[in-house]
Amino acid sequence: QKEVEQNSGPLSVPEGAIASLNCTYSDRGSQSFFWYRQYSGKSPELIMSIYSNGDKEDGRFTAQLNKASQYVSLLIRDSQPSDSATYLCAVWDTNAGKSTFGDGTTLTVKP
Amino acid sequence: DAGVIQSPRHEVTEMGQEVTLRCKPISGHDYLFWYRQTMMRGLELLIYFNNNVPIDDSGMPEDRFSAKMPNASFSTLKIQPSEPRDSAVYFCASSYTGNQPQHFGDGTRLSIL
Repeated sequence: QKEVEQNSGPLSVPEGAIASLNCTYSDRGSQSFFWYRQYSGKSPELIMSIYSNGDKEDGRFTAQLNKASQYVSLLIRDSQPSDSATYLCAVWDTNAGKSTFGDGTTLTVKP
Repeated sequence: DAGVIQSPRHEVTEMGQEVTLRCKPISGHDYLFWYRQTMMRGLELLIYFNNNVPIDDSGMPEDRFSAKMPNASFSTLKIQPSEPRDSAVYFCASSYTGNQPQHFGDGTRLSIL
């Protein structure tokens, strides 16, 4: 079992729809969670970070964390073609001192 | 503010040659990470440093790979001898602390012929 797993893609949604990206992690010691966006041929860039259970909203993006279920998600409202990219879930385990990325989910938003 | 700076952006070399990748982290960031990204394996953590000290190098694939951080503003990742399977994009990232977001450089696209 991979330490950080993301729902297999690719994911395709129409413009204006909600895109839902999911991530599960195996280590209960994980304490910090991040979503990065990576355009083709570019480096990952931070979208959201979340550290405590619940929802965190930033513009059209909402991150949701449930530590009991070891689950973190990213919702993108009013999806735009410019949101088409690969989204990487990342986990930092403070106790283990370890950074782990998921394999990513590729999102395509169709006009 | 300047971001993480990596050089070179592209490197093409022949098998058996030594390859050195360079990284300048964001000033004030105590953590520096080296990653390798391929289609098959995704983004893999190779090694990371805290205050210039290597903390976890369990991701370094084999002895051909070595990394150093002689000071807070410079790190190198060296492959000697290089092999075609080392072809990948290598990213350097830095962060204030381990549990803070990482800022990535533009990466080095390495091709070993």
